[in-house]
Amino acid sequence: AQKVTQAQTEISVVEKEDVTLDCVYETRDTTYYLFWYKQPPSGELVFLIRRNSFDEQNEISGRYSWNFQKSTSSFNFTITASQVVDSAVYFCALSSTGNQFYFGTGTSLTVIP
Amino acid sequence: DTAVSQTPKYLVTQMGNDKSIKCEQNLGHDTMYWYKQDSKKFLKIMFSYNNKELIINETVPNRFSPKSPDKAHLNLHINSLELGDSAVYFCASSQDNGYNEKLFFGSGTQLSVL
Repeated sequence: AQKVTQAQTEISVVEKEDVTLDCVYETRDTTYYLFWYKQPPSGELVFLIRRNSFDEQNEISGRYSWNFQKSTSSFNFTITASQVVDSAVYFCALSSTGNQFYFGTGTSLTVIP
Repeated sequence: DTAVSQTPKYLVTQMGNDKSIKCEQNLGHDTMYWYKQDSKKFLKIMFSYNNKELIINETVPNRFSPKSPDKAHLNLHINSLELGDSAVYFCASSQDNGYNEKLFFGSGTQLSVL
């Protein structure tokens, strides 16, 4: 069974703080992809990153970084020096054979100025 | 210029009515989807089409009927609307139907059934 767990429902941080959003996944497939999407208050979901199961290299993109660890089935997302524009709901998702995406329940991040 | 556009953005209607939501993508993608996001923000796939062919049909009441006249369009028709249908419905597309594809989402249609 496929499952994505985002245990943090809501997080509030003060601007410029670092924040990590947790994502834990379950799958029996050996080949799969993990994603993060951002849903700002405007409502539209925006793709942030895709990582395949064979690539455990961490990735950094500006203030965003992702830590993929197969040993703990986690794909965590860190925002460094958070800004008010980072306020959004963030979704982690898993996709494998069967062409289905399984989304986590999302983490609502509020950055307080 | 919008990559995935869906209309209307808001839909308020009475129980028992029939309504449609339209979706168009100009990305040249082969696969389109409908997702439902409930009040707790949970996203669940409803349908997906690849080149006008239905490939995913989740456990959705048969009051919901998708229609894909061509690969750039995927409309959602809902018959006999119920209170529980109130949600945000997202259309999305991807280049292909592979599980490595990233999804491009529309801005959502907020459906309120009174």
